Amino acid sequence: NAGVTQTPKFQVLKTGQSMTLQCAQDMNHNSMYWYRQDPGMGLRLIYYSASEGTTDKGEVPNGYNVSRLNKREFSLRLESAAPSQTSVYFCASSEARLTYQETQYFGPGTRLLVL
Amino acid sequence: AQSVTQLDSHVSVSEGTPVLLRCNYSSSYSPSLFWYVQHPNKGLQLLLKYTSAATLVKGINGFEAEFKKSETSFHLTKPSAHMSDAAEYFCVLKAAGNKLTFGGGTRVLVKP
Repeated sequence: NAGVTQTPKFQVLKTGQSMTLQCAQDMNHNSMYWYRQDPGMGLRLIYYSASEGTTDKGEVPNGYNVSRLNKREFSLRLESAAPSQTSVYFCASSEARLTYQETQYFGPGTRLLVL
Repeated sequence: AQSVTQLDSHVSVSEGTPVLLRCNYSSSYSPSLFWYVQHPNKGLQLLLKYTSAATLVKGINGFEAEFKKSETSFHLTKPSAHMSDAAEYFCVLKAAGNKLTFGGGTRVLVKP
């Protein structure tokens, strides 16, 4: 049981390049999330998917797109990377979004540097 | 609106001494509160959570936290710090809806 996995672990991009961050979970969770972590700001929600086939914007969605490929996989795409998107990206999953008591489980993160 | 404030950005303790990480929250609804730990270059690991049951919550690795509604606080403590406790700790609030609100984090340094 690997939990939440993310690829790649590290990536360096030039401004304007595109890339897709991959996330998968093997816990049969319904909900999945993408966060970015910047120093002193905790984690901020980019997009989330409450269930397969649905996606919604979070706090900082500009410059990103997402795809909930199936129940297991949730990808984050940067169409034209900017230096402001240099960050650590975390994927998370939870069983359901129906209660506020649910726990989110996090992947190990992807460190992205945009030059 | 909801918010989380971690009162110390850095805490330095000696091995074997108590650790106190302070967290205050603001929420219009009855919240769930979580503490996560992040070791260097690792993901976030859940330490403990409060979900309106017992106000004193015990977590993994000897950590515990007490929910005090009157003080809107959820401080994290450990009686005796270990070198492996050196990490960054996040207090997280979840109220109605799906959104998690993270504090800014407290980085813990443990001196031998």
